[in-house]
Amino acid sequence: NAGVTQTPKFRVLKTGQSMTLLCAQDMNHEYMYWYRQDPGMGLRLIHYSVGEGTTAKGEVPDGYNVSRLKKQNFLLGLESAAPSQTSVYFCASSSLDRAKNIQYFGAGTRLSVL
Amino acid sequence: GQNIDQPTEMTATEGAIVQINCTYQTSGFNGLFWYQQHAGEAPTFLSYNVLDGLEEKGRFSSFLSRSKGYSYLLLKELQMKDSASYLCAVSQDDAGNMLTFGGGTRLMVKP
Repeated sequence: NAGVTQTPKFRVLKTGQSMTLLCAQDMNHEYMYWYRQDPGMGLRLIHYSVGEGTTAKGEVPDGYNVSRLKKQNFLLGLESAAPSQTSVYFCASSSLDRAKNIQYFGAGTRLSVL
Repeated sequence: GQNIDQPTEMTATEGAIVQINCTYQTSGFNGLFWYQQHAGEAPTFLSYNVLDGLEEKGRFSSFLSRSKGYSYLLLKELQMKDSASYLCAVSQDDAGNMLTFGGGTRLMVKP
């Protein structure tokens, strides 16, 4: 059981380049999330999805776009990367069942924008 | 606004007990989570409190006081492998799925 899988694990971009981070979960979870984690600031929610075909903005959505074409996948896009987007990005998923709403996290993607 | 505060760093000795506090001021409350995160790894779930009181799970316990906006994570019989960051997170939405995280407490366990 893989759980939540993120690709790639590491990436270095130049300012202005674009990229897509992929998150896949095999737990049939309805909810999926993208967070960024910066030193001393904890996890901040970028975007989230409550089901296939739906997305919503989180706390820090500017500069990012997302898509959820399939229930198991949640993509995070950076159209024009900036140095301020250097961070560790975590994807998570959780069940719609309130009794089982623990979020399960992927291993993270470490992104540097030069 | 919303504010979740926890100490930045703590140090404790192997075999001892340590208490990590978390205070919160949020517009809503539907539960409080604690996650453990080892350096360079993903956060993993430790505990969940939605009612006042103590939840015990092995060496780890978590306490909640909703009236005081306060929680703590208690780690007993500390082991070196407990060196990690501990994240406090509050759920505010009705479904309990949207979390707001504190900055995390980095715990260093020394021999």
